[in-house]
Amino acid sequence: AQSVSQHNHHVILSEAASLELGCNYSYGGTVNLFWYVQYPGQHLQLLLKYFSGDPLVKGIKGFEAEFIKSKFSFNLRKPSVQWSDTAEYFCAVIHTDKLIFGTGTRLQVFP
Amino acid sequence: SQTIHQWPATLVQPVGSPLSLECTVEGTSNPNLYWYRQAAGRGLQLLFYSVGIGQISSEVPQNLSASRPQDRQFILSSKKLLLSDSGFYLCAWSSRTGAWETQYFGPGTRLLVL
Repeated sequence: AQSVSQHNHHVILSEAASLELGCNYSYGGTVNLFWYVQYPGQHLQLLLKYFSGDPLVKGIKGFEAEFIKSKFSFNLRKPSVQWSDTAEYFCAVIHTDKLIFGTGTRLQVFP
Repeated sequence: SQTIHQWPATLVQPVGSPLSLECTVEGTSNPNLYWYRQAAGRGLQLLFYSVGIGQISSEVPQNLSASRPQDRQFILSSKKLLLSDSGFYLCAWSSRTGAWETQYFGPGTRLLVL
């Protein structure tokens, strides 16, 4: 069965540090990939998605993710984080019409 | 614009009591609707999804059930809650223009079963 792995459970960074959150999925066929973010006290919302085309996807708030098919990965990146990026980040993949989520990564950014 | 509502926001229930969580969507028609449970360290687990009134698909065997009495209403229920039903329950919707488009989530209901 399709699964999504987020190996970083808790990441702590200082402002202006660079960020990379790992996401790996198990199914090797055509995939649609998402990153969702949940800011403290807010709804879970879409950060970015990849369906096809350019494997480097730009999202909101300066985030980007790169789809690397050979590595089954869709890592999330941001060159310089801000305190307001403190949130929980979820990677997800569509497989057989179902959205499969990873376990999430809690990011804490300190000023 | 579309909005999604869930209530209650927080609920504390004794073991063995019934449950009813409601989710409604505004500003869209014929949405796909979903119930997820978010447990600490386990991400989001899809519980049920619905592509239309009265059409419910269950993803995992459990103590819960779902119903869709109206196009934009999705209800999560239980006849007798278990301790293991505690968690954060999220409702979501997506358009039906394509298979499993972007999902939009509600604010969630935190359920504590004692």
